[in-house]
Amino acid sequence: GAVVSQHPSRVICKSGTSVKIECRSLDFQATTMFWYRQFPKQSLMLMATSNEGSKATYEQGVEKDKFLINHASLTLSTLTVTSAHPEDSSFYICSAPVSGGLDSTDTQYFGPGTRLTVL
Amino acid sequence: AQSVTQPDIHITVSEGASLELRCNYSYGATPYLFWYVQSPGQGLQLLLKYFSGDTLVQGIKGFEAEFKRSQSSFNLRKPSVHWSDAAEYFCAVGAGAGGYNKLIFGAGTRLAVHP
Repeated sequence: GAVVSQHPSRVICKSGTSVKIECRSLDFQATTMFWYRQFPKQSLMLMATSNEGSKATYEQGVEKDKFLINHASLTLSTLTVTSAHPEDSSFYICSAPVSGGLDSTDTQYFGPGTRLTVL
Repeated sequence: AQSVTQPDIHITVSEGASLELRCNYSYGATPYLFWYVQSPGQGLQLLLKYFSGDTLVQGIKGFEAEFKRSQSSFNLRKPSVHWSDAAEYFCAVGAGAGGYNKLIFGAGTRLAVHP
């Protein structure tokens, strides 16, 4: 099946610094990618939709200036957490859809996630 | 608004016992429904999905799910649970056509398996 990778898998940073998380589709092209946030023992909450060649679409309540998304190519989307604070500590997960063809729905493949800890 | 409800936060079963995880959705149109499993340190893995057609869907690892429109449900089942099935299970609905639209996840059900 399709593979989505994330880097880094874990990052610890000081409050006030910025952190960049990469999401790559390894064996397919993705014009759209999704970024989710997962708090401990909770569900995934969609943060934004990353669109190759255009601006990202953010969900209501997500600060676009804090969570910068750049879809640089058909296989790479980055999420930058700017001026990170302890409340930004979370598990960030990306996903990319693969077309299922005419007779099937598309399927989203998820990256392994990035654990961000802001001290 | 679309939503997904997983009523059971935590379930414990004995190895070899049958399993049913409940999922109810709220969606105006024909839903695209998914079950994902998340193991510690692993990304979400798709177990199965419902697009259209046969309401009983077979997935990987011996799982199946049944779509019941009248009950707005998409419950996940497995006839005999293995210790390796212990994980977090998420039901999700695709808000729109195909998977290019966002997924709305339920809160998840954590499954523990007793030996």
